[in-house]
Amino acid sequence: GDSVTQMEGPVTLSEEAFLTINCTYTATGYPSLFWYVQYPGEGLQLLLKATKADDKGSNKGFEATYRKETTSFHLEKGSVQVSDSAVYFCALNGPGGFKTIFGAGTRLFVKA
Amino acid sequence: DTGVSQDPRHKITKRGQNVTFRCDPISEHNRLYWYRQTLGQGPEFLTYFQNEAQLEKSRLLSDRFSAERPKGSFSTLEIQRTEQGDSAMYLCASSSTGTSGRAQETQYFGPGTRLLVL
Repeated sequence: GDSVTQMEGPVTLSEEAFLTINCTYTATGYPSLFWYVQYPGEGLQLLLKATKADDKGSNKGFEATYRKETTSFHLEKGSVQVSDSAVYFCALNGPGGFKTIFGAGTRLFVKA
Repeated sequence: DTGVSQDPRHKITKRGQNVTFRCDPISEHNRLYWYRQTLGQGPEFLTYFQNEAQLEKSRLLSDRFSAERPKGSFSTLEIQRTEQGDSAMYLCASSSTGTSGRAQETQYFGPGTRLLVL
C-alpha cells in the first residue's frame, strides 16, 4: 500500500542554519504531496503542497519539489528561526482523494 | 469561519467507560475525516464522510468505535468500553470536493481531542 518515510528526528539546528528534512514515498498512480506542521499544543497546519511532478510548493520560506523519478519531496528552508521549532509531517493523498497518509513526523528544535 | 473545531479538547476516563467526541467542520466542506495520532507517530486514518454518508472505514476502527454525521454537518465519534490502548489524540479534518481533482484536496485539521484512558 501507499506509504511515506521521513527522516527521524529530532533535528537540532542553530538559528539561521539551513534545513533539510528528507521525505520519500511509495504510491500507486500520481498522488498529491504535502508538508504539514504541528506547533506545540496546536493542531496540524498545511505548510505547502505539490500536486504533480516537478511542482514546487513554497510557503513562509519553506520549499519542497515533487520529484517523481526519486519519489521524494524533501523540505528545505534557507535560514531557520526559533519560531520554526515544531513537528513536520510529510504526507500524500492518493488518487482516491479521501485518505491522507502521513509519515511519522520529524521534530525540529531551533536554538537561538 | 474560524476553521475546524473539536470538543472536548481533553478527556480523561476510566477503562470501560464510553466517550463521545464532537467535530464541527468548516461550514462549506462536504467531506469530514477522523484520524488517530499516538505519541511520536503521524495521524492514521480512521474513517471519512461525504455529506452524511460514511464511505470508508479503516481496519483500525474496531466494533467499539462508531462515527456519525447525521445531517452532513457536525460529526461525532463514540468509543464504547474504552481500553488503555485507546489513549491517543483524535483529529478531525474537513475538505471540499474541488473541481481540480480529488487527489488535490487539502484537508484542514482541527486541534484534536486528547483522550487518556486510566
